[in-house]
Amino acid sequence: DIQMTQSPSAMSASVGDRVTITCRASQGINNYLAWFQQKPGKVPKRLIYASSSLQSGVPSRFSGSGSGTEFHLTISSLQPEDVATYYCLQHKTYPLTFGGGTKVEIK
Amino acid sequence: EVQLVQSGAEVKEPGESLKISCKASGYRFTSYWIGWVRQMPGKGLEWMGIVYPGDSDTRYNPSFQRQVTISADKSITTAYLQWNSLGASDTAMYYCVSAYDDYAYWGQGTLVTVSS
Repeated sequence: DIQMTQSPSAMSASVGDRVTITCRASQGINNYLAWFQQKPGKVPKRLIYASSSLQSGVPSRFSGSGSGTEFHLTISSLQPEDVATYYCLQHKTYPLTFGGGTKVEIK
Repeated sequence: EVQLVQSGAEVKEPGESLKISCKASGYRFTSYWIGWVRQMPGKGLEWMGIVYPGDSDTRYNPSFQRQVTISADKSITTAYLQWNSLGASDTAMYYCVSAYDDYAYWGQGTLVTVSS
């Protein structure tokens, strides 16, 4: 199985800060990676697909990058509404695997 | 419009059986895998397994292989997740998610509570 190691597990940043979350795959997954945002009590929402494509309707401050084994989700200017837990998902190989999640809070 | 509509919350006692459902619409159900995700209280997302409704081929996360059964009925475009004997550790929110558009579409979740 492919393991997805996500870091950090939690972070606190100020409004307007640039935030970067990383997922590392235990083996190459090309660009079969998506990023999800989950707010408390809500269904996960896809932000990024194919490693770097922005989901329609998602603010442009969100971006994704990477290929192979290392991937990044960046929020260019953190906003209060971005408080959430973020997960990566590899879908190259079954079983699909999620990263452990990154809880983002406002400082 | 693509929709995945899950069955309602369940409260069960340990040892009971349960089958929850996920009704899909808005896309060709038989052409895309549909999977299940567990989220235990306060924890992260865990991929349980997936079924291809076209031929009922199923792939499980080894961690869940012996715990649950995943199936689909293409005649009513519905996927299922079932347990033969629930335990307290099965208390969680369960989401279905379609591979259509690379896992963009999720059900609203079914909360399963197992308690004596």
